[in-house]
Amino acid sequence: GAVVSQHPSWVICKSGTSVKIECRSLDFQATTMFWYRQFPKQSLMLMATSNEGSKATYEQGVEKDKFLINHASLTLSTLTVTSAHPEDSSFYICSARGSASGRQYVTYNEQFFGPGTRLTVL
Amino acid sequence: AQSVTQLDSQVPVFEEAPVELRCNYSSSVSVYLFWYVQYPNQGLQLLLKYLSGSTLVKGINGFEAEFNKSQTSFHLRKPSVHISDTAEYFCAVCHSGGSNYKLTFGKGTLLTVNP
Repeated sequence: GAVVSQHPSWVICKSGTSVKIECRSLDFQATTMFWYRQFPKQSLMLMATSNEGSKATYEQGVEKDKFLINHASLTLSTLTVTSAHPEDSSFYICSARGSASGRQYVTYNEQFFGPGTRLTVL
Repeated sequence: AQSVTQLDSQVPVFEEAPVELRCNYSSSVSVYLFWYVQYPNQGLQLLLKYLSGSTLVKGINGFEAEFNKSQTSFHLRKPSVHISDTAEYFCAVCHSGGSNYKLTFGKGTLLTVNP
């Protein structure tokens, strides 16, 4: 249980285009989803936190107009990289956390990570 | 604010040898602690976590870690490693009373197991 998927797993796009990455919790309701960025041989840097139905909270230094996050349902969050440039090339990873209620409690005290999306902007 | 220091960026070991990956944290509040493993071009997989209770935590793949509050450490150990344990390992911490459960990661330790 507690599986998180991401789509696409990799994407190559031209500079100036927008790219949407989907993050889905497959078998639990994700009240909170997180988006991370990871450069080669580096750690994960949190970009933003989103709670279902509300605006995302962005970390300092992350451009909210550049990285649009939508968390419209309890199982889906999307990250859109707008007007992508080569410096946006990176590995993007999402994670999800469930609620504290009922049988979902096991998903409350932990973030479950997706497999990541490799974005390459030419 | 909290921070995580992984003291070794790379740890090379021979197969079947024991290994310890070190992690120290800094926080002014009580925390939860995690170790994750990342294989190339993949997401993170949880190895083990400390939330409360026994300070010795056992995880998957034969790994264990011990929470030491006085030394603010959470070192990861395995008594005998396999080639397949070669991967990047991340220690992470979050505020146990936080509403959003944000994780702060260390910079990672690359474990390389040689035959």
